[in-house]
Amino acid sequence: DVKVTQSSRYLVKRTGEKVFLECVQDMDHENMFWYRQDPGLGLRLIYFSYDVKMKEKGDIPEGYSVSREKKERFSLILESASTNQTSMYLCASSYHSRGQEAGYTFGSGTRLTVV
Amino acid sequence: AQTVTQSQPEMSVQEAETVTLSCTYDTSESDYYLFWYKQPPSRQMILVIRQEAYKQQNATENRFSVNFQKAAKSFSLKISDSQLGDAAMYFCAYRSDSGGGADGLTFGKGTHLIIQP
Repeated sequence: DVKVTQSSRYLVKRTGEKVFLECVQDMDHENMFWYRQDPGLGLRLIYFSYDVKMKEKGDIPEGYSVSREKKERFSLILESASTNQTSMYLCASSYHSRGQEAGYTFGSGTRLTVV
Repeated sequence: AQTVTQSQPEMSVQEAETVTLSCTYDTSESDYYLFWYKQPPSRQMILVIRQEAYKQQNATENRFSVNFQKAAKSFSLKISDSQLGDAAMYFCAYRSDSGGGADGLTFGKGTHLIIQP
Protein backbone atom coordinates (compact mmCIF):
# COMPACT_ATOMS: atom_id res chain seq x y z
CA ASP A 1 0.00 0.00 0.00
CA VAL A 2 1.64 3.23 -1.15
CA LYS A 3 1.76 5.99 1.35
CA VAL A 4 2.95 9.35 2.57
CA THR A 5 4.10 9.19 6.17
CA GLN A 6 4.34 12.14 8.50
CA SER A 7 6.53 11.47 11.49
CA SER A 8 4.25 12.96 14.15
CA ARG A 9 0.49 13.06 14.49
CA TYR A 10 0.53 15.58 17.33
CA LEU A 11 3.30 17.94 18.36
CA VAL A 12 3.55 20.58 21.08
CA LYS A 13 6.42 23.07 20.93
CA ARG A 14 7.39 26.23 22.73
CA THR A 15 7.57 29.68 21.19
CA GLY A 16 10.99 30.29 19.71
CA GLU A 17 11.88 26.61 19.27
CA LYS A 18 13.17 25.29 15.96
CA VAL A 19 10.69 22.71 14.71
CA PHE A 20 11.14 20.01 12.09
CA LEU A 21 8.19 18.29 10.46
CA GLU A 22 9.21 15.24 8.48
CA CYS A 23 7.48 13.64 5.53
CA VAL A 24 8.48 10.48 3.68
CA GLN A 25 6.87 8.96 0.57
CA ASP A 26 7.48 5.52 -0.87
CA MET A 27 6.06 6.07 -4.36
CA ASP A 28 9.15 7.52 -6.07
CA HIS A 29 7.19 10.72 -6.70
CA GLU A 30 9.07 13.71 -8.08
CA ASN A 31 6.87 16.36 -6.47
CA MET A 32 6.32 16.97 -2.78
CA PHE A 33 4.26 19.61 -1.03
CA TRP A 34 3.60 21.10 2.39
CA TYR A 35 0.17 22.56 3.11
CA ARG A 36 -1.20 24.27 6.14
CA GLN A 37 -4.86 23.68 7.05
CA ASP A 38 -6.85 26.08 9.21
CA PRO A 39 -10.61 26.13 9.88
CA GLY A 40 -12.41 28.36 7.43
CA LEU A 41 -9.30 28.82 5.30
CA GLY A 42 -8.94 25.43 3.67
CA LEU A 43 -5.51 24.17 2.67
CA ARG A 44 -2.85 26.68 1.73
CA LEU A 45 0.42 25.79 0.03
CA ILE A 46 3.55 26.67 2.01
CA TYR A 47 6.36 25.20 -0.11
CA PHE A 48 6.79 22.61 -2.80
CA SER A 49 9.63 20.74 -4.42
CA TYR A 50 9.79 19.17 -7.89
CA ASP A 51 13.21 17.52 -7.49
CA VAL A 52 15.92 16.79 -4.98
CA LYS A 53 17.44 19.99 -3.57
CA MET A 54 14.89 22.08 -5.46
CA LYS A 55 12.29 24.14 -3.64
CA GLU A 56 9.72 26.73 -4.55
CA LYS A 57 7.67 29.08 -2.40
CA GLY A 58 3.95 28.54 -2.27
CA ASP A 59 1.32 31.01 -1.18
CA ILE A 60 2.34 31.42 2.47
CA PRO A 61 6.10 30.72 2.87
CA GLU A 62 6.84 33.36 5.51
CA GLY A 63 8.27 31.87 8.69
CA TYR A 64 8.98 28.50 7.06
CA SER A 65 11.77 26.82 5.16
CA VAL A 66 12.12 23.35 3.65
CA SER A 67 14.76 20.77 2.88
CA ARG A 68 14.81 17.99 0.32
CA GLU A 69 18.09 16.13 0.41
CA LYS A 70 16.62 12.83 -0.78
CA LYS A 71 13.82 12.19 -3.24
CA GLU A 72 11.62 10.43 -0.71
CA ARG A 73 11.94 12.95 2.14
CA PHE A 74 10.66 16.51 2.42
CA SER A 75 11.09 18.41 5.66
CA LEU A 76 9.30 21.54 6.78
CA ILE A 77 11.25 23.75 9.17
CA LEU A 78 9.93 26.42 11.47
CA GLU A 79 13.07 28.37 12.32
CA SER A 80 11.52 30.05 15.38
CA ALA A 81 8.06 28.77 16.13
CA SER A 82 5.36 31.29 16.93
CA THR A 83 1.82 30.86 18.24
CA ASN A 84 0.34 31.87 14.88
CA GLN A 85 1.94 28.77 13.40
CA THR A 86 -0.33 26.56 15.48
CA SER A 87 -2.12 24.60 12.77
CA MET A 88 -2.57 21.30 10.97
CA TYR A 89 0.22 20.55 8.51
CA LEU A 90 -0.36 18.19 5.60
CA CYS A 91 2.30 16.73 3.36
CA ALA A 92 1.52 15.44 -0.12
CA SER A 93 3.36 14.00 -3.09
CA SER A 94 2.69 13.46 -6.77
CA TYR A 95 4.47 12.32 -9.88
CA HIS A 96 5.24 14.74 -12.67
CA SER A 97 2.56 14.45 -15.29
CA ARG A 98 1.11 16.47 -18.10
CA GLY A 99 -2.08 15.39 -19.73
CA GLN A 100 -2.83 12.74 -17.15
CA GLU A 101 -3.58 12.28 -13.50
CA ALA A 102 -0.62 13.08 -11.25
CA GLY A 103 -1.62 10.79 -8.42
CA TYR A 104 -1.67 13.16 -5.47
CA THR A 105 -1.33 11.31 -2.18
CA PHE A 106 -1.61 12.94 1.23
CA GLY A 107 -0.22 12.15 4.64
CA SER A 108 -2.44 12.01 7.72
CA GLY A 109 -1.33 15.39 8.99
CA THR A 110 0.57 16.76 11.95
CA ARG A 111 -1.36 18.90 14.39
CA LEU A 112 1.18 21.37 15.75
CA THR A 113 0.50 23.46 18.81
CA VAL A 114 2.93 26.25 19.71
CA VAL A 115 2.63 27.44 23.31
CA ALA B 1 -3.52 33.07 -9.94
CA GLN B 2 -6.25 30.53 -9.74
CA THR B 3 -8.88 30.68 -7.02
CA VAL B 4 -11.43 28.13 -5.85
CA THR B 5 -14.58 29.20 -4.02
CA GLN B 6 -16.86 27.01 -1.95
CA SER B 7 -19.77 29.18 -0.83
CA GLN B 8 -21.32 26.71 1.61
CA PRO B 9 -19.35 26.42 4.87
CA GLU B 10 -21.78 23.76 6.12
CA MET B 11 -24.50 21.58 4.65
CA SER B 12 -26.88 19.16 6.31
CA VAL B 13 -28.85 16.35 4.68
CA GLN B 14 -31.04 13.49 5.83
CA GLU B 15 -29.65 10.02 5.40
CA ALA B 16 -30.63 8.48 2.03
CA GLU B 17 -31.35 11.86 0.46
CA THR B 18 -29.36 13.73 -2.18
CA VAL B 19 -27.15 16.73 -1.53
CA THR B 20 -25.20 19.02 -3.86
CA LEU B 21 -22.04 20.86 -2.86
CA SER B 22 -21.10 23.94 -4.86
CA CYS B 23 -17.71 24.99 -6.19
CA THR B 24 -16.67 27.73 -8.57
CA TYR B 25 -13.19 28.52 -9.77
CA ASP B 26 -11.36 31.18 -11.66
CA THR B 27 -8.64 30.49 -14.20
CA SER B 28 -7.40 31.77 -17.52
CA GLU B 29 -6.04 28.37 -18.53
CA SER B 30 -7.72 25.85 -20.78
CA ASP B 31 -6.06 22.64 -19.58
CA TYR B 32 -6.64 21.73 -15.98
CA TYR B 33 -8.08 19.17 -13.58
CA LEU B 34 -10.71 19.54 -10.92
CA PHE B 35 -11.10 17.36 -7.85
CA TRP B 36 -13.32 16.75 -4.90
CA TYR B 37 -11.58 15.48 -1.78
CA LYS B 38 -13.18 14.15 1.37
CA GLN B 39 -11.55 14.60 4.77
CA PRO B 40 -13.16 12.59 7.59
CA PRO B 41 -12.20 13.07 11.25
CA SER B 42 -9.25 10.74 10.67
CA ARG B 43 -7.76 13.67 8.69
CA GLN B 44 -6.81 11.50 5.74
CA MET B 45 -7.57 13.28 2.47
CA ILE B 46 -9.47 10.90 0.21
CA LEU B 47 -10.00 11.55 -3.48
CA VAL B 48 -13.71 11.35 -4.24
CA ILE B 49 -13.82 12.24 -7.92
CA ARG B 50 -11.86 14.08 -10.58
CA GLN B 51 -12.68 15.78 -13.84
CA GLU B 52 -10.43 16.59 -16.76
CA ALA B 53 -11.31 19.98 -18.23
CA TYR B 54 -11.06 18.71 -21.80
CA LYS B 55 -13.76 16.10 -21.18
CA GLN B 56 -17.30 17.28 -21.68
CA GLN B 57 -18.80 14.25 -20.00
CA ASN B 58 -19.39 14.64 -16.29
CA ALA B 59 -17.42 12.26 -14.08
CA THR B 60 -19.29 9.69 -12.00
CA GLU B 61 -18.10 7.38 -9.22
CA ASN B 62 -20.89 5.24 -7.79
CA ARG B 63 -23.08 7.59 -5.69
CA PHE B 64 -20.92 10.60 -6.47
CA SER B 65 -21.25 12.66 -9.62
CA VAL B 66 -20.26 16.12 -10.75
CA ASN B 67 -21.90 18.83 -12.79
CA PHE B 68 -19.02 20.44 -14.68
CA GLN B 69 -19.90 23.65 -16.45
CA LYS B 70 -16.66 24.84 -18.05
CA ALA B 71 -17.95 28.12 -19.44
CA ALA B 72 -19.47 29.05 -16.09
CA LYS B 73 -16.40 27.72 -14.24
CA SER B 74 -18.58 25.68 -11.97
CA PHE B 75 -17.91 22.21 -10.56
CA SER B 76 -20.56 20.93 -8.16
CA LEU B 77 -20.60 17.56 -6.42
CA LYS B 78 -23.81 15.55 -6.09
CA ILE B 79 -24.00 12.82 -3.46
CA SER B 80 -26.94 10.47 -3.94
CA ASP B 81 -28.40 8.20 -1.27
CA SER B 82 -26.36 9.91 1.46
CA GLN B 83 -24.87 7.61 4.06
CA LEU B 84 -23.60 8.30 7.58
CA GLY B 85 -20.07 7.57 6.37
CA ASP B 86 -20.29 10.48 3.97
CA ALA B 87 -20.09 12.94 6.87
CA ALA B 88 -16.82 14.84 6.44
CA MET B 89 -15.22 18.02 5.20
CA TYR B 90 -15.31 18.23 1.42
CA PHE B 91 -12.76 20.24 -0.49
CA CYS B 92 -12.90 21.30 -4.10
CA ALA B 93 -9.46 21.58 -5.71
CA TYR B 94 -7.93 22.77 -8.96
CA ARG B 95 -4.73 21.74 -10.66
CA SER B 96 -3.19 23.41 -13.66
CA ASP B 97 -1.80 21.05 -16.28
CA SER B 98 0.83 23.50 -17.49
CA GLY B 99 3.36 22.59 -14.83
CA GLY B 100 2.69 18.88 -14.84
CA GLY B 101 1.25 19.09 -11.36
CA ALA B 102 4.52 20.27 -9.87
CA ASP B 103 2.98 23.44 -8.47
CA GLY B 104 0.36 21.69 -6.38
CA LEU B 105 -3.36 21.91 -5.91
CA THR B 106 -5.38 25.04 -5.14
CA PHE B 107 -8.11 24.29 -2.62
CA GLY B 108 -11.38 25.89 -1.66
CA LYS B 109 -12.14 26.57 2.00
CA GLY B 110 -14.22 23.45 2.39
CA THR B 111 -17.80 22.44 3.11
CA HIS B 112 -18.64 20.56 6.30
CA LEU B 113 -21.25 17.94 5.40
CA ILE B 114 -23.50 16.67 8.17
CA ILE B 115 -25.64 13.58 7.67
CA GLN B 116 -28.76 13.44 9.82
CA PRO B 117 -29.84 9.87 10.69
